[in-house]
Amino acid sequence: DIQMTQSPSALSASVGDRVTITCRASQSVSSWLAWYQQKPGKAPKLLIYKASSLESGVPSRFSGSGYGTEFTLTISDLQPDDLATYYCQQYNSYPFIFGPGTKVDIK
Amino acid sequence: EVQLVESGGGLVKPGESLTLSCAASGFSFSNAWMTWVRQAPGKGLEWVGRIKTKTEGGTTDYAALVKGRFTISRDDSINTLFLQINSLNTEDTAVYYCTTVKGPFEDYFDYWGRGTLVTVSS
Repeated sequence: DIQMTQSPSALSASVGDRVTITCRASQSVSSWLAWYQQKPGKAPKLLIYKASSLESGVPSRFSGSGYGTEFTLTISDLQPDDLATYYCQQYNSYPFIFGPGTKVDIK
Repeated sequence: EVQLVESGGGLVKPGESLTLSCAASGFSFSNAWMTWVRQAPGKGLEWVGRIKTKTEGGTTDYAALVKGRFTISRDDSINTLFLQINSLNTEDTAVYYCTTVKGPFEDYFDYWGRGTLVTVSS
């Protein structure tokens, strides 16, 4: 199975900051990577698919990049509403493993 | 508007069985691949399994941890997805989410229900 890691596991940043989260796969997943946002007490929400494609309705301050084994999710202008845990997920091959998550806190 | 509403969770004893349901609306359910994802309290997301459309044989795939104990099925006549869980143990305690799969072999999850909590305890 492909294993996924994320770093950092948690971060705290100020409103307006640029935040970057890294996701690594144990073997290449090509561009088959998605990012989700989960706010406290809520279901996850799809943000990015195919590594860099923004899901409809998602603010443009979210962006994704990467290929193969290393990917990043960037929030360019952190807002209070972005307080959440962010998960990556590979869908290159079954089983479709999620990363362990990165908790983003607002200072 | 796509809606997924899970039900059937609750408090169960170890060794018991449970069937969760997910009522779908707002899209062509019969043409959709569907997935269950679970989340233990305070933990991350865990893919449980998926089911393809009846046209594609209704084939199911499961995570290794649950294979043999979990069964995913669907009833397209009532737009409902099911997850049967047998021999429940405390490690099955989690919120279970029903999700749509974006498309065949595009196994990312674009719509999610609110989830139903299963608590396994004696």
